[in-house]
Amino acid sequence: ILNVEQSPQSLHVQEGDSTNFTCSFPSSNFYALHWYRWETAKSPEALFVMTLNGDEKKKGQISATLNTKEGYSYLYIKGSQPEDSATYLCAFIGGSQGNLIFGKGTKLSVKP
Amino acid sequence: GAGVSQSPSNKVTEKGKDVELRCDPISGHTALYWYRQSLGQGLEFLIYFQGNSAPDKSGLPSDRFSAERTGGSVSTLTIQRTQQEDSAVYLCASSLGSSHSPLHFGNGTRLTVT
Repeated sequence: ILNVEQSPQSLHVQEGDSTNFTCSFPSSNFYALHWYRWETAKSPEALFVMTLNGDEKKKGQISATLNTKEGYSYLYIKGSQPEDSATYLCAFIGGSQGNLIFGKGTKLSVKP
Repeated sequence: GAGVSQSPSNKVTEKGKDVELRCDPISGHTALYWYRQSLGQGLEFLIYFQGNSAPDKSGLPSDRFSAERTGGSVSTLTIQRTQQEDSAVYLCASSLGSSHSPLHFGNGTRLTVT
């Protein structure tokens, strides 16, 4: 059974705060790690697909890093805005054409 | 272009009845996934189709659940003899099929079993 763990489960920050959360996954047979953002009443949207150890990706004020040897990825949000409020999901693929196993997500609430 | 389309968007059914949920993936996407989110839970994997390969059914919670994908395109998830614990949002996603391809999700079907 593949376990993808995310922490914290939820996070409440003030507008302008920077924040980060963690995704842990099996370090063996790694193929890719995905990050998704899921806003209330919408469907999940892809943020990043990461494949190489040491990868760092950036989209606006959101960035992510990947360590496949120790099995973790960090997602950073610099200067959080209320519109960043969402659940952030990571998903692990352990095979070139395998299915994605999702973590339970980190629910971020940004107060104005 | 058109995204992933799911129907119906909402379904209320009585315990014991069968239901069918439909997913139209993005044209050209070879991979199709079904997930569900029960209240307070994360995304639970149900089934995965990739091209002409045998589907990965390892996430189906019981033999009341089945899914098919006709002609490599539209997929139907069928739940027989529905139970109250089947109440959830059922999400379908499609992708180009490689581990590097992001998933594109539909808006989901909210199933309520009374």
